[in-house]
Amino acid sequence: AQSVTQLDSQVPVFEEAPVELRCNYSSSVSVYLFWYVQYPNQGLQLLLKYLSGSTLVKGINGFEAEFNKSQTSFHLRKPSVHISDTAEYFCAVSDGQGGSEKLVFGKGTKLTVNP
Amino acid sequence: AAGVIQSPRHLIKEKRETATLKCYPIPRHDTVYWYQQGPGQDPQFLISFYEKMQSDKGSIPDRFSAQQFSDYHSELNMSSLELGDSALYFCASSSPGETQYFGPGTRLLVL
Repeated sequence: AQSVTQLDSQVPVFEEAPVELRCNYSSSVSVYLFWYVQYPNQGLQLLLKYLSGSTLVKGINGFEAEFNKSQTSFHLRKPSVHISDTAEYFCAVSDGQGGSEKLVFGKGTKLTVNP
Repeated sequence: AAGVIQSPRHLIKEKRETATLKCYPIPRHDTVYWYQQGPGQDPQFLISFYEKMQSDKGSIPDRFSAQQFSDYHSELNMSSLELGDSALYFCASSSPGETQYFGPGTRLLVL
């Protein structure tokens, strides 16, 4: 069975500092990995996805993630955060091509960017 | 670009009542997924439909049922509501082999 572990439930950072949100997965089959962002009282927005190919994936809002098969990780990074990045971030895995099968989510990481 | 539409956006019900949530997928998307996100929790998969047939089933209570109609919209029917059913219910849609896109969710409060 697939599972996702987000190692930090809360990450506070100062504005313009770099941030890394950690995600580890387990799966017995090919994996497709995703990061979603949820702003307060809003839905889930796709930040980026890894399906195949280059292990460094660039997404929206300046975020990027690196797929590391040997470490079964898919950590999310941003070199310089803004106040507007304050949100909850969910890592997810699917065993369907492109994410067309059900998504299994991690518990989420709440990112708080302070001035 | 058109997005996934969910209605209603907010719903308040009493215990033991019924509720129906609706989802309108992105045009030309034939797969619909339902997820439940409890307060402070991660989204949990409930059920999915592909071409109007149930394609996968997760942790959906027997009190809940869902279907996908000929126009590809989907409805989640919830009966004998319990306090624990209070949650944000997301619908997502995709086309074959493609990424899921989520709607804004329906926030259900059971009193």
